[in-house]
Amino acid sequence: DTAVSQTPKYLVTQMGNDKSIKCEQNLGHDTMYWYKQDSKKFLKIMFSYNNKELIINETVPNRFSPKSPDKAHLNLHINSLELGDSAVYFCASSAGLAAYEQYFGPGTRLTVT
Amino acid sequence: RKEVEQDPGPFNVPEGATVAFNCTYSNSASQSFFWYRQDCRKEPKLLMSVYSSGNEDGRFTAQLNRASQYISLLIRDSKLSDSATYLCVALTGGGNKLTFGTGTQLKVEL
Repeated sequence: DTAVSQTPKYLVTQMGNDKSIKCEQNLGHDTMYWYKQDSKKFLKIMFSYNNKELIINETVPNRFSPKSPDKAHLNLHINSLELGDSAVYFCASSAGLAAYEQYFGPGTRLTVT
Repeated sequence: RKEVEQDPGPFNVPEGATVAFNCTYSNSASQSFFWYRQDCRKEPKLLMSVYSSGNEDGRFTAQLNRASQYISLLIRDSKLSDSATYLCVALTGGGNKLTFGTGTQLKVEL
């Protein structure tokens, strides 16, 4: 059983398009995250949600909008995609806010052409 | 300057070698530290926590030096399967956020 799943695994799209990435966890965790890993492999947090409430919103363009319909799901919608958005996006979850063990999904490799 | 800094490597070592990685952190308020491991084209996974008193898990030993603000990871008797990127991680943001280093790549060769 997959603990944290993301769809799609690969996403190739053109500049200016709008796309969504979905994430689901079946661990019963309260907290979920979105990370971006760029071409230099630097992994940086974008957002975190705890029980559907936004907790962390790093300096991310407002073209990125997370949505948490329930605590098992955290989706990421990106408007007006730009070349610089190309990266691997990881969803993660943890038992609570201060939990250091985060369980990551397999990642979504986004390529903007 | 990044909050958590690591030498990106790669460190190429023969099987059976002992290898050590260091990382430094800039935020003295960071309370807790960890090592995560990321295999090529895979997601990161927690390897171990880091304590001032040292933390040993089989062939892996992690150490924290608060005075110098650095964290180390020692791998003894390295195996081919240890080849991966090792990410140094600090719990920051009042304990709500993991801040990752850029990672150190290890390649263990025959």
